[in-house]
Amino acid sequence: GDSVTQMEGPVTLSEEAFLTINCTYTATGYPSLFWYVQYPGEGLQLLLKATKADDKGSNKGFEATYRKETTSFHLEKGSVQVSDSAVYFCAVPIYNQGGKLIFGQGTELSVKP
Amino acid sequence: DVKVTQSSRYLVKRTGEKVFLECVQDMDHENMFWYRQDPGLGLRLIYFSYDVKMKEKGDIPEGYSVSREKKERFSLILESASTNQTSMYLCASSLGPGALNTEAFFGQGTRLTVV
Repeated sequence: GDSVTQMEGPVTLSEEAFLTINCTYTATGYPSLFWYVQYPGEGLQLLLKATKADDKGSNKGFEATYRKETTSFHLEKGSVQVSDSAVYFCAVPIYNQGGKLIFGQGTELSVKP
Repeated sequence: DVKVTQSSRYLVKRTGEKVFLECVQDMDHENMFWYRQDPGLGLRLIYFSYDVKMKEKGDIPEGYSVSREKKERFSLILESASTNQTSMYLCASSLGPGALNTEAFFGQGTRLTVV
């Protein structure tokens, strides 16, 4: 069935380090792909998305490229900041189930000054 | 500004109580969702609805029911609260089944503690 697998956390980095959070998925067809972020004490908010193969989503210095051949959508940032400390979720909508979203297990990122 | 509003940020209830979690969206969205978030388990879908009075079970519906009498409101009901339902509950909405490229919007979450 449809699923999303994310790199396990927690991930601890120093400020200005490079970040990669891996995400792979199994889904019917070629769905849009999403990254959500959850800051402490808040709900989830959209970070970026890509709607077709080879699309690159970007926002706040984060990027992710829709790789159809490897069914992956890895999140990257060249230089993280303390304010990026949050939990990151990869998500995929399921086409034959009314657009239900399924999420990866989440990756907690902690950035130290 | 688009908004999904959950009625409470924090709730403490006793075992066996009937608990109502309310969610309202102001975007005229067709889809609404209830998720449960637990450490190490990510987000798990409890129920979702793609239209008024329509509902579909998610991955963990046991012990829960839902109600959607109006398009903007989606309620999650714990028929008889138990301690293993202590969790963070997140409501979300999205445009609808025909708009799969658009994102979901989330409420702030309700942290429920059952004692």
